[in-house]
Amino acid sequence: GAVVSQHPSRVICKSGTSVKIECRSLDFQATTMFWYRQFPKQSLMLMATSNEGSKATYEQGVEKDKFLINHASLTLSTLTVTSAHPEDSSFYICSERSASSHGYTFGSGTRLTVV
Amino acid sequence: QKEVEQNSGPLSVPEGAIASLNCTYSDRGSQSFFWYRQYSGKSPELIMFIYSNGDKEDGRFTAQLNKASQYVSLLIRDSQPSDSATYLCAVRGSTGKLIFGQGTTLQVKP
Repeated sequence: GAVVSQHPSRVICKSGTSVKIECRSLDFQATTMFWYRQFPKQSLMLMATSNEGSKATYEQGVEKDKFLINHASLTLSTLTVTSAHPEDSSFYICSERSASSHGYTFGSGTRLTVV
Repeated sequence: QKEVEQNSGPLSVPEGAIASLNCTYSDRGSQSFFWYRQYSGKSPELIMFIYSNGDKEDGRFTAQLNKASQYVSLLIRDSQPSDSATYLCAVRGSTGKLIFGQGTTLQVKP
């Protein structure tokens, strides 16, 4: 099945700095990447949807200037958390919807801790 | 009303028993339904998907869908301690987005 490579798996950063998370699809038929955030003991909350070469679509309540999503190539989507604060500490997961697999394939997730 | 609702649990069953996990959804236009298993600190892994009303079986797992009642369930037969995890119900609605329930924590006791 389709595979999504996500890194880093874990990052600790200082408050005010920016962090970039990358998700690389190994399925060249993939078109759409979804970005989720999960707080402890809570479910996955969809943040935004990105497609190659177009602007990401953000869910209500998600600050697009804070969570920058770039999907410049078919296989690479990035999420940059800008000016991170402790409340941004969370588990960030990407997921792709691929024509070659049922449903969605998830990256391994990134644990972000802002100190 | 939440788009996808699950009882957060924990649901505790003895080893070898049947675990029954339930989920309701609000978007009548939803077409695809998924059950994911998530271990602590890990990303979700797909267990089952179901598109049509009725039952779908895969090994020890059975997914049940009732679109009229907007209800989907997952049965786990012969539950094992290794099945202990959080089970996430996810629904692909009419917008094409995959929306998750809050998850049900399952504990299988030896």
